[in-house]
Amino acid sequence: KNEVEQSPQNLTAQEGEFITINCSYSVGISALHWLQQHPGGGIVSLFMLSSGKKKHGRLIATINIQEKHSSLHITASHPRDSAVYICAVRSGAQKLVFGQGTRLTINP
Amino acid sequence: DTAVSQTPKYLVTQMGNDKSIKCEQNLGHDTMYWYKQDSKKFLKIMFSYNNKELIINETVPNRFSPKSPDKAHLNLHINSLELGDSAVYFCASFGGGADTQYFGPGTRLTVL
Repeated sequence: KNEVEQSPQNLTAQEGEFITINCSYSVGISALHWLQQHPGGGIVSLFMLSSGKKKHGRLIATINIQEKHSSLHITASHPRDSAVYICAVRSGAQKLVFGQGTRLTINP
Repeated sequence: DTAVSQTPKYLVTQMGNDKSIKCEQNLGHDTMYWYKQDSKKFLKIMFSYNNKELIINETVPNRFSPKSPDKAHLNLHINSLELGDSAVYFCASFGGGADTQYFGPGTRLTVL
């Protein structure tokens, strides 16, 4: 079993819907990252969290350290949000351990 | 200006060959990484260097040898390439007060 589990693995929604992607982890962490990988392959870091909640535009990320769980929310989803979203946890020596990714498709 | 650059972007080669992938970052970061993304799109760390010193070396075959001539560069040399080495390799950097890692565009390696 992977140390970082994401759900769902695939998600298809209509434009405008509210999207939630979940991430659970089983190890002690210093921080959690949400990454976005576009169909072209490039990886962009969206958030780094160690507690609470962060918001950037239509994206919101939350983390519950006690429950070892994080969520990524997208409000008013748009086809350009279609990508793979990857959760990664940081433990010692700046090492990142990755979830398997959630493939999000937003249809117009 | 590109923050983290990799060359080449695509690399197609025969089994048994030796090849290198280069990575450069102009962010002044102290720490650099190599990650491998397999055909199932699963990312896994391979190596990490901090200020030219190896700090993370996951269970990677010794055919893979990272080299850091200075803290802005981390190159990956692969000997005796095998079919299973086919993947996308990402370089990343971290440091300088940044709260996240910056990724290169990836190098797609195909071993025939």
